[in-house]
Amino acid sequence: QLQLQESGPGLVKPSETLSLTCTVSGGSISSSSYYWGWIRQPPGKGLEWIGSIYYSGSTYYNPSLKSRVTISVDTSKNQFSLKLSSVTAADTAVYYCARHNPSVDYWGQGTLVTVSS
Amino acid sequence: DIQMTQSPSSLSASVGDRVTITCRASQSISSYLNWYQQKPGKAPKLLIYAASSLQSGVPSRFSGSGSGTDFTLTISSLQPEDFATYYCQQSYSTPAITFGQGTRLEIK
Repeated sequence: QLQLQESGPGLVKPSETLSLTCTVSGGSISSSSYYWGWIRQPPGKGLEWIGSIYYSGSTYYNPSLKSRVTISVDTSKNQFSLKLSSVTAADTAVYYCARHNPSVDYWGQGTLVTVSS
Repeated sequence: DIQMTQSPSSLSASVGDRVTITCRASQSISSYLNWYQQKPGKAPKLLIYAASSLQSGVPSRFSGSGSGTDFTLTISSLQPEDFATYYCQQSYSTPAITFGQGTRLEIK
């Protein structure tokens, strides 16, 4: 059974960079034609796709966040990572890592990241 | 961007009721439409993919229909565990996926 687990700081200061890692177990991140992505949900609000990395290494970002987002993959550790720069309070959210193509069939449990000084 | 609009935003219903939630896309997305259920503090769970295919393990009281721009999720007989928030999601422009704003289903 595939499992995804987010890890990283739960508190980030304004203007700094948010960094999260998703560890995938129960399957290889590079063995299938899937996208590995990040989705966030501000408290009490809906779901927003941040970006994804294809198993081949190609990256795709939400145009509204593109200038601040970097997603990378470490196949040796079966992990992929998110970096979101210049964060503000509006970036406070639960961040999910997920697998999709085309539906999102596996999700991590989510991790709350709060942007505050 | 493909925008997804759900209606209603919230809905009150009773156990045993038949409930329908609609989702409209800003352009035709064929059948590239998925439905999710989210309970408080949990990740969303895939219910329906490709507009009408039931995900493995999901009860048959859930069904989906539609194509093009208009889609529906129907719960034939509400159970207590079905009270949750439901999201539609288009995968036509994968990997650039977008979600509807959600429909909160509450107990009447």
